[in-house]
Amino acid sequence: AQSVTQLDSQVPVFEEAPVELRCNYSSSVSVYLFWYVQYPNQGLQLLLKYLSGSTLVESINGFEAEFNKSQTSFHLRKPSVHISDTAEYFCAVSDTFGNEKLTFGTGTRLTIIP
Amino acid sequence: DGGITQSPKYLFRKEGQNVTLSCEQNLNHDAMYWYRQDPGQGLRLIYYSQIVNDFQKGDIAEGYSVSREKKESFPLTVTSAQKNPTAFYLCASSTNRGSYEQYFGPGTRLTVT
Repeated sequence: AQSVTQLDSQVPVFEEAPVELRCNYSSSVSVYLFWYVQYPNQGLQLLLKYLSGSTLVESINGFEAEFNKSQTSFHLRKPSVHISDTAEYFCAVSDTFGNEKLTFGTGTRLTIIP
Repeated sequence: DGGITQSPKYLFRKEGQNVTLSCEQNLNHDAMYWYRQDPGQGLRLIYYSQIVNDFQKGDIAEGYSVSREKKESFPLTVTSAQKNPTAFYLCASSTNRGSYEQYFGPGTRLTVT
């Protein structure tokens, strides 16, 4: 079984400042990793995913995440945030054996301060 | 437009009543999922189905039931046995062909009083 820990439930950041949202996972098998974003009263949207290959993955809106196997982490970063980045962010993990169940972290609420 | 629809957006029920939440997808996905979201607890898996006429319990299936008679549809019934049914319910779907990405619907907020 897998588990995901998002240590920070809330992260306030000034506009145009950098941000890092932390995600650590636990698994006895190889994993796939995902970051989803949720705007208020909406469903989740995939932000980026790591399946294989380069450990650094990027999204189209400037976010990036790096898979670190030794530290079992998949932290999400953005060098300069905007007001529109205000949302809740969820890290998720699945195993690589064709079982597509996702295990989610408890989420990090990112608040951008003007 | 391809996607997942959930209806209604908001649902109110009296305690003791069963209620069914709708989830329809036109993405031709094989797998479908139901999650419950509560503040500070992330998403918890209720039921999932990887093929028509088959489904499995997730982590919190007690008090819920599902059916999967058609590929496009995966309705969730919240029964009167569910002790704390007020929550935000999210439906998702995915292919079984290795992309592993789940696509989510807009959610249904259920309030039981």
